[in-house]
Amino acid sequence: DSGVTQTPKHLITATGQRVTLRCSPRSGDLSVYWYQQSLDQGLQFLIQYYNGEERAKGNILERFSAQQFPDLHSELNLSSLELGDSALYFCASNSGRGQETQYFGPGTRLLVL
Amino acid sequence: DQQVKQNSPSLSVQEGRISILNCDYTNSMFDYFLWYKKYPAEGPTFLISISSIKDKNEDGRFTVFLNKSAKHLSLHIVPSQPGDSAVYFCAGKNFGNEKLTFGTGTRLTIIP
Repeated sequence: DSGVTQTPKHLITATGQRVTLRCSPRSGDLSVYWYQQSLDQGLQFLIQYYNGEERAKGNILERFSAQQFPDLHSELNLSSLELGDSALYFCASNSGRGQETQYFGPGTRLLVL
Repeated sequence: DQQVKQNSPSLSVQEGRISILNCDYTNSMFDYFLWYKKYPAEGPTFLISISSIKDKNEDGRFTVFLNKSAKHLSLHIVPSQPGDSAVYFCAGKNFGNEKLTFGTGTRLTIIP
């Protein structure tokens, strides 16, 4: 158990809908990262937050947005969903200071029908 | 542009033998590399890392080798055990940038 929690575990929705994925980092970690893993692909970096502020952005679609709250949990919002958004979404956390391992949550599996 | 490549999607190894997983990268700015292991229905778990100032790092049964001139790293597992059956991802990162760039993974199966 990495100490990173993600909810929900599974999500099934329809095209055009909007969903919110939630992540709670390990106790004491200030930095949260979001990754997307599509079928047979590696994990693609989406976005990083550090202590409530956006720190780095990857190839995140404009339909996707994220935020980190004062209690340090983070939410990833996916809107106008398309079939191709079906994927595993992982959250990771660490202290955000220097070279450090990222600890991953169990992921949310999103299926868009 | 696939900056980190794992060209073998799968690998089968007899229990007790050595497993060698390979990874190539194209981004010369990467200065830190990590290997993660992933079981089904779980998130990736950190296994071992190596800084670009080293060419080898060892942790128990796991050793990572880095060849900077060839932009190649490998993970050696000796001896291989059934519990090592999983998907292994290598990842690279630049100093000062926390973003990890992952390969597509290699599924390792240890045959009892």
